Amino acid sequence: DGGITQSPKYLFRKEGQNVTLSCEQNLNHDAMYWYRQDPGQGLRLIYYSQIVNDFQKGDIAEGYSVSREKKESFPLTVTSAQKNPTAFYLCASAMTSGSYEQYFGPGTRLTVT
Amino acid sequence: GENVEQHPSTLSVQEGDSAVIKCTYSDSASNYFPWYKQELGKGPQLIIDIRSNVGEKKDQRIAVTLNKTAKHFSLHITETQPEDSAVYFCAGSTSGTYKYIFGTGTRLKVLA
Repeated sequence: DGGITQSPKYLFRKEGQNVTLSCEQNLNHDAMYWYRQDPGQGLRLIYYSQIVNDFQKGDIAEGYSVSREKKESFPLTVTSAQKNPTAFYLCASAMTSGSYEQYFGPGTRLTVT
Repeated sequence: GENVEQHPSTLSVQEGDSAVIKCTYSDSASNYFPWYKQELGKGPQLIIDIRSNVGEKKDQRIAVTLNKTAKHFSLHITETQPEDSAVYFCAGSTSGTYKYIFGTGTRLKVLA
């Protein structure tokens, strides 16, 4: 059953703690993305990666970090430097040739108190 | 910078009526325009897309039109049903960038 998985669906953390969100895909896609979604706003790009061991900052990278050690995995760490970390986080993947379609995971809702 | 504007932010229609959502983009190099549907608490799902070499594309009750000169594109849903209620996002992308610029979304409510 191909697709993108994000875990967990809900995540709760205390302020000041780093937290890592998981994203795994078995679609053999080269590109992977992390977006943040806040109520009433569109999807804002945090980081993206077009190939293993390489990634680029998106529009709102401050306070976040990523790694891309494997093609299938693109974990996102929300650090204590992120001022407003409570949000819905979406991971996506896409091919880098042919179709441009991005496939999204089910999302992780992070609440920091 | 690159920008995609989407209107309206909310839209209520009676079941069976049509719904139209409009987007404009700023980057004239944009050549791929997907539309996504997002249900509450879930990830967005692609419902239709259009490339810049095509003016219109249709898939059953859903259609998308593109006006490259005016730099705007629209989503048309005919014979709306309650299950069409969701948030819809448009996006623009330029080949080679692998990045989407998303609109801010439209919350569609289909009233039974």
